[in-house]
Amino acid sequence: EPEVTQTPSHQVTQMGQEVILRCVPISNHLYFYWYRQILGQKVEFLVSFYNNEISEKSEIFDDQFSVERPDGSNFTLKIRSTKLEDSAMYFCASSGLAGSKLGETQYFGPGTRLLVL
Amino acid sequence: KNQVEQSPQSLIILEGKNCTLQCNYTVSPFSNLRWYKQDTGRGPVSLTIMTFSENTKSNGRYTATLDADTKQSSLHITASQLSDSASYICVVSPSYGGSQGNLIFGKGTKLSVKP
Repeated sequence: EPEVTQTPSHQVTQMGQEVILRCVPISNHLYFYWYRQILGQKVEFLVSFYNNEISEKSEIFDDQFSVERPDGSNFTLKIRSTKLEDSAMYFCASSGLAGSKLGETQYFGPGTRLLVL
Repeated sequence: KNQVEQSPQSLIILEGKNCTLQCNYTVSPFSNLRWYKQDTGRGPVSLTIMTFSENTKSNGRYTATLDADTKQSSLHITASQLSDSASYICVVSPSYGGSQGNLIFGKGTKLSVKP
């Protein structure tokens, strides 16, 4: 069964450094998302991406964050200057086969655990 | 403010028993409601998805119900197994349109199934 993959599984970085989290969505999916989950807290929406542009973003997704689909398969989340409070599990998700009806299921990747020291 | 509240926060049951998890939401406008299962340290996995016009949806031993009038949903698990131990998260989509983007997550109910 197709699945969303994410790399790396774990990332440790120093405060102020840039990190890039990578995701390979399910082939033929059209919609891509990033979420984060701070330890012990609920999953929070960051951004959705469709047709090579951001379609929605939350208040969390400030100027320090950016997303990109550099080629036909990868979907990346960049944090320009990490802060201690960016430490969290970051989940990528994808959905929506071409021609699918509204409300298609989002498939989540296994996550990247980011630790900012 | 759009919110999703779940109860109980945690639940311990014996293997083979049934249980019901609750979800109340204040999301408007409402598009659909989903239940996800999340194992520790893993990404959420979809169990069911219901639009506002659906009252119930089953997926094996999981049955979700939805009352859009009272803004309540439940997830019923029958004949629980040890592998059902996980967090069960109620997620509501307030969006219309293909993006579905800004899902609103509950905090989840942590279910422990004991032998």
